[in-house]
Amino acid sequence: QQPVQSPQAVILREGEDAVINCSSSKALYSVHWYRQKHGEAPVFLMILLKGGEQKGHDKISASFNEKKQQSSLYLTASQLSYSGTYFCGTEMEKNRDDKIIFGKGTRLHILP
Amino acid sequence: KAGVTQTPRYLIKTRGQQVTLSCSPISGHRSVSWYQQTPGQGLQFLFEYFSETQRNKGNFPGRFSGRQFSNSRSEMNVSTLELGDSALYLCASSFGGQGYYNEQFFGPGTRLTVL
Repeated sequence: QQPVQSPQAVILREGEDAVINCSSSKALYSVHWYRQKHGEAPVFLMILLKGGEQKGHDKISASFNEKKQQSSLYLTASQLSYSGTYFCGTEMEKNRDDKIIFGKGTRLHILP
Repeated sequence: KAGVTQTPRYLIKTRGQQVTLSCSPISGHRSVSWYQQTPGQGLQFLFEYFSETQRNKGNFPGRFSGRQFSNSRSEMNVSTLELGDSALYLCASSFGGQGYYNEQFFGPGTRLTVL
């Protein structure tokens, strides 16, 4: 059950804010966020767990609505370096032995 | 600390051939997952190995197989290659055990082209 990301693509000017959403039809245990720049490997940004725990980079913020099985990634005062494709990944089992299923990605392009 | 390494970085094969890709995880990581990435499809989960055992499997045909060695290094094999197998194959490692966050550390990938 692949999570659904929205929007599929967004173009911003430097300094503007963006929100990327990830939703699942299944009950989630965790949501991951990764960023992939062109020609590079995806890089971990944040993980949010059911119950409120989270771990990630200081400059990245995200939320996880457990009732709606939705997560949002907030990119504020965007910089040129934020450009790339953002993927959310979801785990559905409590015992962490489940696979991580990724969405199709959201392409973010920051203009100077 | 060395990151995840994958070899080879590029491969060109013809239909019907088989291929083996290799992944060396970050030292101390016991879980290795493999993903296929194609334009528009995102990251498709292939399988995950933990302590030499396949723990999870995605929806790929049996032509795709893998294994993990005692040092946590993993290999992925694709037999009877098809044109549609052309993709970037990424492996990712994590601690994988209970009590750890399961963030994935990705390697640079192997770009497979099937002619």
